[in-house]
Parts: sequence; C-alpha cells; structure tokens
Amino acid sequence: DGGITQSPKYLFRKEGQNVTLSCEQNLNHDAMYWYRQDPGQGLRLIYYSQIVNDFQKGDIAEGYSVSREKKESFPLTVTSAQKNPTAFYLCASSPDRASPLHFGNGTRLTVT
Amino acid sequence: GESVGLHLPTLSVQEGDNSIINCAYSNSASDYFIWYKQESGKGPQFIIDIRSNMDKRQGQRVTVLLNKTVKHLSLQIAATQPGDSAVYFCAENGSSNTGKLIFGQGTTLQVKP
Repeated sequence: DGGITQSPKYLFRKEGQNVTLSCEQNLNHDAMYWYRQDPGQGLRLIYYSQIVNDFQKGDIAEGYSVSREKKESFPLTVTSAQKNPTAFYLCASSPDRASPLHFGNGTRLTVT
Repeated sequence: GESVGLHLPTLSVQEGDNSIINCAYSNSASDYFIWYKQESGKGPQFIIDIRSNMDKRQGQRVTVLLNKTVKHLSLQIAATQPGDSAVYFCAENGSSNTGKLIFGQGTTLQVKP
C-alpha cells in the first residue's frame, strides 16, 4: 500500500538536544510538507518542499530545519533553538499544487 | 493575516441525524477548499474538496457547500454514525500557488448513540 510513514510515533528528548523526525513516502509525490499541531488547535506549516533539493520556510520555521535529498524523504530536525518543541508533528505530501495533501499518522514529540 | 476559522468548537448530534459543520475563510483569493477528518492520535484524512468554480459537491454521505459571497464553507454529513466522531478541519489554499494549505482550528463532532 502506498502511503506516508512517520517514525517514531512517540519521541522523548531532553531540553537542549536536537532531534530528527523521519518522514518517508512511496506515493511518488513531488511536494512534501511539515505541519505542527498543538492541543485543540489547527495545523501550522513549518516547512515545505516542492521538489528535490529545494525547500521553503512556512509560517513557523524558526528553530526547525529540513533537507530534501531524495524525493521520498523529508526529515525534520527540531533544534534546541525551538522554544516550545513539544507538539504533534505531521508530515504530508501531494502530487501537485492542485491536489489535497495526504498525511502520515504523526510523531508526538515531548521535550522535558 | 490569512486565517480559516470555524464557527463552533464542538458539535454534538444524535446517531442517525444529519450534521452540519461550518467554516469561515478570510482570503478571497483562495480557490481550493478541503475538509479533513482527524481521529485521535492520527493524521488528518481527506474527506472531500471543492474548487471555487463550484458551489456544491457531493460524496458518499457528505456534501460540501461553498458560498463565496460570504466566504463560508460547510460540510454536511448525512445519517451521522458513531464512526464519524472526530475533529473536522477545513483548509484553504490561500493566495499562494505552492500547494500549501491553511487550516482552521477544527470542530469536534460527538455522535451520541
């Protein structure tokens, strides 16, 4: 089955540590996205990439970094500079600009 | 800034009744709108979409209505079932042409047996 795989499902880190969240898709989609979701709220865009080796900042990019070396992979690094990193992180992909996003099942990151 | 908002945070309906979830959007340049369903601990799941050249679109048990005059979007679910209990988000594409979506806050739908 085609889809988006995010791993791990739960992640715990100490404050001050960088952590990388994995996102892999086998849908052959060009575009990939990272969103953050806080309790009881909507999704906010962190970074997106429309093509390999290219990515753009979203609305809340500070304290995050990404890479897009392969079409199927779009890892997100939450750095120690992110002031409030505890959240639910969702990765998505789409085949083109006129199609809906397909989401993975998220990674819940807890930083203490 | 751009935003998509929902009129009610929680909607409670009886099993078998019809549900209507509303959404107001602010960017008149948006021309693509999507409804997503999110169950606890999972990612959003696509339900139905609509483009601005339409005012109504029907799927299986769901209908989306778009009123561009008042920038309003609604999702109607017929014969609501317990499995419909979830958080529902509307999303719009805003004024960019990048494929990214702007999401509303979400409405929790509770279905009473």
